[in-house]
Amino acid sequence: QVQLVQSGAEVKKPGASVKVSCEASGYSFTGYFIHWVRQAPGRGLEWMGVINTSGGYTTYAQNFQARVTLTRDTSTSTVYMDLSSLRSEDTAVYYCTRESSSGSYGAYWGQGTLVTVSS
Amino acid sequence: DIQMTQSPSTLSASVGDRVTITCRASQNIGDWLAWYQQIPGKAPKLLIYKASSLESGVPSRFSGSGSGTEFTLTISSLQPDDFATYYCQQYDYYSRWAFGQGTTVEIK
Repeated sequence: QVQLVQSGAEVKKPGASVKVSCEASGYSFTGYFIHWVRQAPGRGLEWMGVINTSGGYTTYAQNFQARVTLTRDTSTSTVYMDLSSLRSEDTAVYYCTRESSSGSYGAYWGQGTLVTVSS
Repeated sequence: DIQMTQSPSTLSASVGDRVTITCRASQNIGDWLAWYQQIPGKAPKLLIYKASSLESGVPSRFSGSGSGTEFTLTISSLQPDDFATYYCQQYDYYSRWAFGQGTTVEIK
């Protein structure tokens, strides 16, 4: 079965960077795009970006363009989300999600990774 | 960028009620729309895709309709497990996504 397993919670200081991993299993890794979505405490879902796991091409949301980098390692079926210049407003749960076979929708989701930014 | 606007933000209802949530897009998105359910502390769950197609395993009391700029999610008879927050999501040709701000369905 399809599974996305994310790395564990992180605590970072303002100005630092964080790298969250998302290991995929149960399907052909390069066959589907993977997106990243975050959710601040008590807030809604916010799309961050997407990576084409086959070619490595990326598209980012305008709000994150300057600070986020998505990469993938096809040998380990893992996608990485790197967010730099962290501020307190980046405290959130970060999710990876795999597209559906039917279109660009989040059919499968990781368990989420809490990133806390605090001095 | 396309903006998605959901209404209402909060909805109070009872078990057995028929519930409708609306999502409006700032421009024509055809049927490139999905609906998700999120329970606190859990990842979102895909309910509906392509505006009206039911995801496998989702109860038939959930249905979606609409095209262009106006869409609805309907729960025909609200069950205890349905008290949650619901989000619409659109995508474009470049696989960029935008979510609505969410609608929380509360117990009346």
